[in-house]
Amino acid sequence: QITLKESGPTLVKPTQTLTLTCSFSGFSLSTSGVGVGWIRQPPGKALEWLALIYWSDDKRYSPSLRNRLTITKDTSKNQVVLTLTNMDPVDTATYYCAHRRPGYNLFNYWGQGTLVTVSS
Amino acid sequence: SYVLTQPPSVSVAPGQTARITCGGSNIRSQSVHWYQQMAGQAPVVVVFDDSDRPSGIPERFSGSNSGNMATLTIRRVEAGDEADYYCQVWDISTDHLVFGGGTKLTVL
Repeated sequence: QITLKESGPTLVKPTQTLTLTCSFSGFSLSTSGVGVGWIRQPPGKALEWLALIYWSDDKRYSPSLRNRLTITKDTSKNQVVLTLTNMDPVDTATYYCAHRRPGYNLFNYWGQGTLVTVSS
Repeated sequence: SYVLTQPPSVSVAPGQTARITCGGSNIRSQSVHWYQQMAGQAPVVVVFDDSDRPSGIPERFSGSNSGNMATLTIRRVEAGDEADYYCQVWDISTDHLVFGGGTKLTVL
């Protein structure tokens, strides 16, 4: 059974760096084809893809946020970490991590999401 | 970058058919996936690779993809289908994932 769970601060100040951790079980990020991505959703707005890391450590980033994002993995801990620098109130959103279905570019398992508010 | 365009809202009476469109340049060359997001919950895949259904998704949900438009069709709509629906592709030209803007399905 695949599960994912996001953790991190619920409140950050403008200009700070956000660090979120995705802890997962039921699969390994060392298995060929596997990936974990991050997606966010501002309140009342659409889903926005942020980043994706593959089993090979290959990484992809949203073009609009590429210069602020970093995604890393710790295979031994079954964790993926996302950092987003220079936070702004417009970055207030629910942040989800999700499992990429091997062989497909879609997310078939999602975490419950964590709401991050950016405010001074 | 690749853009997917969805109508903000679609309304349908119970028992009728809902069609939610997703427009994109030559989208027929892409594999389109559809997610259903109930209020306060994480998205769930209801159709993948244009027209395939994950196990557990009712046959009432189907998809098609042609030209510049992909369509999610929900037959015999039920009150429980009321949700936001998102299309998604992997843009091969840029190697990036793209979501549509989402469509709110209202069951009258």
